[in-house]
This record gives sequence, structure tokens and C-alpha cells, in this order.
Amino acid sequence: GAVVSQHPSWVICKSGTSVKIECRSLDFQATTMFWYRQFPKQSLMLMATSNEGSKATYEQGVEKDKFLINHASLTLSTLTVTSAHPEDSSFYICSARGGTRDGGSGPQHFGDGTRLSIL
Amino acid sequence: QKEVEQDPGPLSVPEGAIVSLNCTYSNSAFQYFMWYRQYSRKGPELLMYTYSSGNKEDGRFTAQVDKSSKYISLFIRDSQPSDSATYLCAMSNTGGFKTIFGAGTRLFVKA
Repeated sequence: GAVVSQHPSWVICKSGTSVKIECRSLDFQATTMFWYRQFPKQSLMLMATSNEGSKATYEQGVEKDKFLINHASLTLSTLTVTSAHPEDSSFYICSARGGTRDGGSGPQHFGDGTRLSIL
Repeated sequence: QKEVEQDPGPLSVPEGAIVSLNCTYSNSAFQYFMWYRQYSRKGPELLMYTYSSGNKEDGRFTAQVDKSSKYISLFIRDSQPSDSATYLCAMSNTGGFKTIFGAGTRLFVKA
């Protein structure tokens, strides 16, 4: 099946630092990648959608200067949390979606998430 | 009204029981329907992916879609403690450009 690798799985850093999270589709080309945030016992909250080679589309209320997304290739997207603060602590999950034989879009396949803790 | 409604539970069942998980939706344009399983501190894992109405079976899992009622179900037969997780339904329209997720149902299977 489709495999999405997300790295790192857990990061702890000091307030004010920037953190980069990588998301790779290992066995398919991801035309679209998504970044989600999830709080404990809550559902997924879509932060942004990115297509390869294009600027990301951010959901309402998500600061694009705070959460920088780069989708430079069909297999790699990165999320950089700039000048992170304790309120940015959360579980961040990426997903990737490829195409289908009939030219449509397939289902999203998720990475295992990154636990970000800002001290 | 949310586009997708899913009871958050928790749902607790004994080992071996048949589990029924459900979602309702309001957008008749949805054509693709998915079920994901999410263990604690992990990303969601795709379990079932179906198009339009009908049933799809994969091992102990059966997905049903009733577009006339805007209702989808996931059945788990012979449930196991390892099935304890949060189950999210998801759906998208033709082309799949926007996927809407349910809130997720927490399932506990007791040994």
C-alpha cells in the first residue's frame, strides 16, 4: 500500500526556535499534500493544502508566515514552524494524495505524525 | 449543520462482538467514502475506500454506503482488543479535491 514517511516523530525545543518537519511519499507521486494539526482527543484540523510547485493554500485562521510550507517535489513537502512558542505545541500530521487511473484523485495517506513540544 | 456527522463515542464492546460505526452527511455531491483507523499518537491509517453506493468487504471489515439516505457504515466482525482505536469516516466529491473528515469514534474492545 501507499506509504508516507514523516520525520521527526517527536521534537522538543526551546521557545523562539524554528522547527522543520518533513513528509515524504515513498512509493507514489503525491500531487497534493496536506498538513493537519490535532489536539488531544480531537479530530484533524486542516492547516493547509499544497500542490507540487505551487504556493500552499492555507485554511482560515492559519498564519502562513508562522507555518511555512514547501512542496518542492512530487515526493516531499516540508512544514516549518517559525519562532515556535509553547502554544504551537501539538501533534502535526501530514498526508499525501496521488492520482488515479481515471485521472481523478485517490484517497489521502497519512504519515505517523510529529509531536512538537515547545518549552 | 456540519457536512459530516459522526458520534464521538466512546463505544465499548466485548471481544468478539460485531461493531457498527456510522456517519451521516449532507452533501449529495460526495462520491468517494473512506474509513480510517487512528491509534493513539499515530497518524490515521486507510482501512476502506469506496466509490458511490454499495458494500465492500476486506477481511473482518465491511463498508456500506447508502447514498439515498446519506449514511455510511463500517462493520467490524469478531472484534479484537487490537481494534481499539479511533475510527474516522471521510468523504469527498468527484475529483476528490476536498475531503471532509468526521470527528472520529473512539472504540474500546475489552478482552
